[in-house]
Amino acid sequence: ELKVEQNPLFLSMQEGKNYTIYCNYSTTSDRLYWYRQDPGKSLESLFVLLSNGAVKQEGRLMASLDTKARLSTLHITAAVHDLSATYFCALNQGGKLIFGQGTELSVKP
Amino acid sequence: GAVVSQHPSWVICKSGTSVKIECRSLDFQATTMFWYRQFPKQSLMLMATSNEGSKATYEQGVEKDKFLINHASLTLSTLTVTSAHPEDSSFYICSARDRATYEQYFGPGTRLTVT
Repeated sequence: ELKVEQNPLFLSMQEGKNYTIYCNYSTTSDRLYWYRQDPGKSLESLFVLLSNGAVKQEGRLMASLDTKARLSTLHITAAVHDLSATYFCALNQGGKLIFGQGTELSVKP
Repeated sequence: GAVVSQHPSWVICKSGTSVKIECRSLDFQATTMFWYRQFPKQSLMLMATSNEGSKATYEQGVEKDKFLINHASLTLSTLTVTSAHPEDSSFYICSARDRATYEQYFGPGTRLTVT
């Protein structure tokens, strides 16, 4: 059974700082997703990573995938308040998405 | 493109009544749709997989007689919460898998409050 674990679960950052969210998973999967969720809202797709070594960047967010280590990272560069949200990673297992616990990010001035 | 709608966006119902939530793929066809439930400060939990023209597949621990799923067309799935109780209050999110690209797209969610 696929297990997906994120850490940290809560992250309070100062604006301008860098930090990384980690997503570990227990069995192989053909694709890994990162989503953002704002309070009271549904999921917004950020990245989909398909292969080992894949790296994708959008603005201040960069996601990478290491399939050998079964690890994905979401790196935040020079955080701004607008990035405050909950971030989820999810993996495909037989067509279903299995989600991590989520990382609640709070960026403070 | 790839828009999924849910209706209603929020609903309040009394304990013991039933409520239906619709999930529609607006610009693509979806042979498969998924229903998730999310409690406050928690992750999304898959409840069931809805397949067009066939019975839904429920995850372990989800009562199929309580959460009725119908997927009558390639663009519409419905979730009916029967005999709702306050503990069914939650955020219900659907996703639809594009039959052409196999990618999943999420609806905006429905907040259910049972009083």
